[in-house]
Amino acid sequence: EVQLVESGGGLVQPGRSLKLSCLASGFTFSNYGMNWIRQAPGKGLEWVASISSSSSYIYYADTVKGRFTISRDNAKNTLYLQMTSLRSEDTALYYCARHRGANWFAYWGQGTLVTVSS
Amino acid sequence: DIQMTQSPSSMSASLGDTVTITCLASQDIGNYLSWYQQKPGKSPKLMIYGATNLEDGVPSRFSGSRSGSDYSLTINSLGYDDEGIYHCHQYYEYPLTFGSGTKLEIK
Repeated sequence: EVQLVESGGGLVQPGRSLKLSCLASGFTFSNYGMNWIRQAPGKGLEWVASISSSSSYIYYADTVKGRFTISRDNAKNTLYLQMTSLRSEDTALYYCARHRGANWFAYWGQGTLVTVSS
Repeated sequence: DIQMTQSPSSMSASLGDTVTITCLASQDIGNYLSWYQQKPGKSPKLMIYGATNLEDGVPSRFSGSRSGSDYSLTINSLGYDDEGIYHCHQYYEYPLTFGSGTKLEIK
């Protein structure tokens, strides 16, 4: 069974940094592209970043480019999102999701909440 | 960036009804479209991929279709379990984008 478990969320002040993790199990992590998607309270879904299986290809939403870094450690079956220069508008539930086939999101974690506030 | 215009933003329907939710793509995305169902406090669940392909385990009451740049999710014989927010998503190109969501309430 595919499982994705996010962690690392919390309350952080504007301008500070936070690093999210997503521990994957139930599949060969190194074979799949992975993604971060967020959802602000009461709002829709927003794609944040994607990384290919070998980290060769990385993409970011314009809203986070230059501030967030997606990475992965295939030996540890873990996906990361390093977030810097956090803003109030980054407040959201952050989901990690796995591709299947093309870039649709077949599997989702339960999310980790990031709150940016002073 | 590809914009996905989803409608309606909310709707209410009765048990047994048939409803249709639509997403209009701002440019050609082929069949690179998926639909997700999200219940309160839960993660989104994949329902349809490739515009028309039903995900394993999803009831056949759900179907996806395409007409040009218009993509539709149709739910037949509505049940209480169908209540939630439905999101469309294009994965034709980066940046990947979602529709704004449709909240479906069962009366």
